Amino acid sequence: GAGVSQSPSNKVTEKGKDVELRCDPISGHTALYWYRQSLGQGLEFLIYFQGNSAPDKSGLPSDRFSAERTGGSVSTLTIQRTQQEDSAVYLCASSLVAGAGNTIYFGEGSWLTVV
Amino acid sequence: AQSVTQLGSHVSVSEGALVLLRCNYSSSVPPYLFWYVQYPNQGLQLLLKYTTGATLVKGINGFEAEFKKSETSFHLTKPSAHMSDAAEYFCAVTAPYSGGYQKVTFGTGTKLQVIP
Repeated sequence: GAGVSQSPSNKVTEKGKDVELRCDPISGHTALYWYRQSLGQGLEFLIYFQGNSAPDKSGLPSDRFSAERTGGSVSTLTIQRTQQEDSAVYLCASSLVAGAGNTIYFGEGSWLTVV
Repeated sequence: AQSVTQLGSHVSVSEGALVLLRCNYSSSVPPYLFWYVQYPNQGLQLLLKYTTGATLVKGINGFEAEFKKSETSFHLTKPSAHMSDAAEYFCAVTAPYSGGYQKVTFGTGTKLQVIP
């Protein structure tokens, strides 16, 4: 696609429910990143994919968070048993290759509200 | 380890005035530095980046930034603010890791308000 596409753009869910957030990176981009942006805070790194593997999961806040990437393309971030503190904008990004200095392109984000 | 500090979470300037958004970084290796802009309800868009070479970097929309190693700074400037510049600006730093990928660390952002 022309840009990084994320869905849903907005999601309101009840505490305790599971949610899935989808990211479709720019075609041909091998590196994919998930970030979380909470109100009044900067961007928090969650996970990085190179192809289908995730060499760095260090940013995932708890074991309720997981992510996968299939076919070297689409990625899904899953949050189980959501809590109110999970409310944030979840941003997906991709870059052509993973090396430092390569431009990272961001999607418009998935706004998650846990009530 | 790397980190970024953006001075001032909110900056207000008059239309036509100089825009100066401050960013200081910390990195144990030569850094790569970025400025991103985020308009309301949108994702982040790259304004400019410094990797190697010329320390004065020009970006889109008339913005530029200068890498000053001695001051560990990468301040963003624009000579004359437009109303359309109102947005949130993020400074970011990265460095190559042993895994060969970049782990970008972002600042907490500066919201720019442009007053007519």
